[in-house]
Amino acid sequence: SQQGEEDPQALSIQEGENATMNCSYKTSINNLQWYRQNSGRGLVHLILIRSNEREKHSGRLRVTLDTSKKSSSLLITASRAADTASYFCATKTQGGSEKLVFGKGTKLTVNP
Amino acid sequence: DAEITQSPRHKITETGRQVTLACHQTWNHNNMFWYRQDLGHGLRLIHYSYGVQDTNKGEVSDGYSVSRSNTEDLPLTLESAASSQTSVYFCASSSGGSYNEQFFGPGTRLTVL
Repeated sequence: SQQGEEDPQALSIQEGENATMNCSYKTSINNLQWYRQNSGRGLVHLILIRSNEREKHSGRLRVTLDTSKKSSSLLITASRAADTASYFCATKTQGGSEKLVFGKGTKLTVNP
Repeated sequence: DAEITQSPRHKITETGRQVTLACHQTWNHNNMFWYRQDLGHGLRLIHYSYGVQDTNKGEVSDGYSVSRSNTEDLPLTLESAASSQTSVYFCASSSGGSYNEQFFGPGTRLTVL
């Protein structure tokens, strides 16, 4: 079963605009991660936020985590055509498991 | 540079044949994972391993097997390929612990006719 569910499923914006993607999950987590997948490629890790953190930044990426609502958001500022990709959230549940549970992804298209 | 590779990148096979997909990582990671990616389903975990001689079933393990004889490799075997196993397969590895980001291979596109 899917732990994370991204919203929206697809997002189309113009270059320079901000893109916001959301992720909801069901169980208590140790951390939440965001990955990017370019067409025909493997996933690439973007950013990790721990359950005791509320916000994290990395370059043009901003991730927030609200454990009370079991949700996270990924903001990409000043988007570029090269940001066109699918974005997935993945959760590591509390406990000893090293498994990640991935959502179905948000397909982002940035139009030049 | 450390990397994770998969072979073959594309494979076409027939129903009932045994198929093995290779995964090799040079990160020296203990943890390795196999996923399949299908439209509308995202990534689903097939099998995973936390070290040599350790293997575990994931969410969609029926019809698949893995073995871990060394740290670097985790081959995925489809015992008797079925059309429902047509998919893109990704291998990943991680060091585990607090920062358990996974590093993914480029994927293998498998078609079962």
